[in-house]
Amino acid sequence: DAKTTQPPSMDCAEGRAANLPCNHSTISGNEYVYWYRQIHSQGPQYIIHGLKNNETNEMASLIITEDRKSSTLILPHATLRDTAVYYCIVRVTQGAQKLVFGQGTRLTINP
Amino acid sequence: EAQVTQNPRYLITVTGKKLTVTCSQNMNHEYMSWYRQDPGLGLRQIYYSMNVEVTDKGDVPEGYKVSRKEKRNFPLILESPSPNQTSLYFCASSNRPTTLSSLNIQYFGAGTRLSVL
Repeated sequence: DAKTTQPPSMDCAEGRAANLPCNHSTISGNEYVYWYRQIHSQGPQYIIHGLKNNETNEMASLIITEDRKSSTLILPHATLRDTAVYYCIVRVTQGAQKLVFGQGTRLTINP
Repeated sequence: EAQVTQNPRYLITVTGKKLTVTCSQNMNHEYMSWYRQDPGLGLRQIYYSMNVEVTDKGDVPEGYKVSRKEKRNFPLILESPSPNQTSLYFCASSNRPTTLSSLNIQYFGAGTRLSVL
């Protein structure tokens, strides 16, 4: 699986868009980008995933650059409940479904 | 409500006293897995199961056992717990994928915080 790099921490004001970057410069053609988050010691929660097209669901948007070497998770209107550690994971689709969580980005939403 | 349920949520025990952490999912998922989370080490997979009676080791299986006699349950057994197994444990499940990418969409339980004295 490709290695990912995320900033250790970020702050965002409540009501503003939170943009969380992830670098995955060694990503290969069959690897997807997944985002999870973990709210203080709770179980990780799946947010969104994509291959090369931008994706949007009820929780967030995922923007993947054309060369696929980086991506951005966008929370359009961040709330205090979005304060969490966000993990970017790059995975192939075959094989054991083991998720490898790195250190992630600790996002703090400020009132 | 679709969920993965772990019990107990908190457990304090002593070295050598056998314990079982239960995990149950109500989504009819085939795949289940156990992770442990430690500061600075992230989440690491202990064991996983692709289906009933099919289990395999993850990255850190030493000191743990699992069983998968029913599809919904995947208990984690510590036969002789030691202090280095003090950790936060998560159970996760996912379904037979309808698309390739959905293989990695996993649903996690709320966690079990274990302290071994």
